[in-house]
Amino acid sequence: DTAVSQTPKYLVTQMGNDKSIKCEQNLGHDTMYWYKQDSKKFLKIMFSYNNKELIINETVPNRFSPKSPDKAHLNLHINSLELGDSAVYFCASSPRSDTQYFGPGTRLTVL
Amino acid sequence: QQQVKQSPQSLIVQKGGIPIINCAYENTAFDYFPWYQQFPGKGPALLIAIRPDVSEKKEGRFTISFNKSAKQFSLHIMDSQPGDSATYFCAASTSGTYKYIFGTGTRLKVLA
Repeated sequence: DTAVSQTPKYLVTQMGNDKSIKCEQNLGHDTMYWYKQDSKKFLKIMFSYNNKELIINETVPNRFSPKSPDKAHLNLHINSLELGDSAVYFCASSPRSDTQYFGPGTRLTVL
Repeated sequence: QQQVKQSPQSLIVQKGGIPIINCAYENTAFDYFPWYQQFPGKGPALLIAIRPDVSEKKEGRFTISFNKSAKQFSLHIMDSQPGDSATYFCAASTSGTYKYIFGTGTRLKVLA
């Protein structure tokens, strides 16, 4: 049973396109997150939702829009993709504000 | 003040050696310090975590040492194995904020 799953695993697209990444967790956690890991492996939080409510919104371009249809899902939609958006995006969830469980990642490549 | 500084950037040890990875923080409000292990192509996975009320925590071959006054914590891997080769991240957070600050990562290679 996969605890935190993401689709797709790989995403290759052209500049200017719009794309979405989906995340689902079956752990019953209240809080979900999106992280971006750049080519130097640096992990930075982008968004966090607690019980479908946005609680963290870091300085992320407004081309990035998270959506949480329910507690188990947190999707990330990206408009007008740019070269600098190329990275690995990780979804995570946590039962409280401490231990986080990460998904396998989505490698986004913008050409 | 929100940074967590991690060193070294990379580390190579022989099998059986004891690699040590260090992290330092400034924000005294941090009260949870986890270490994550990441293999290539995978997401980070929690390895071990500590809170500032203890100075050391051990789980199997992994030990966290915590120095509250120096605002530093470190990960020691006893009897390291080639299978421990991975990138290790320290992190810090404050209870209730739902926000981790990650260190920059240490790429560990254990030679057979």
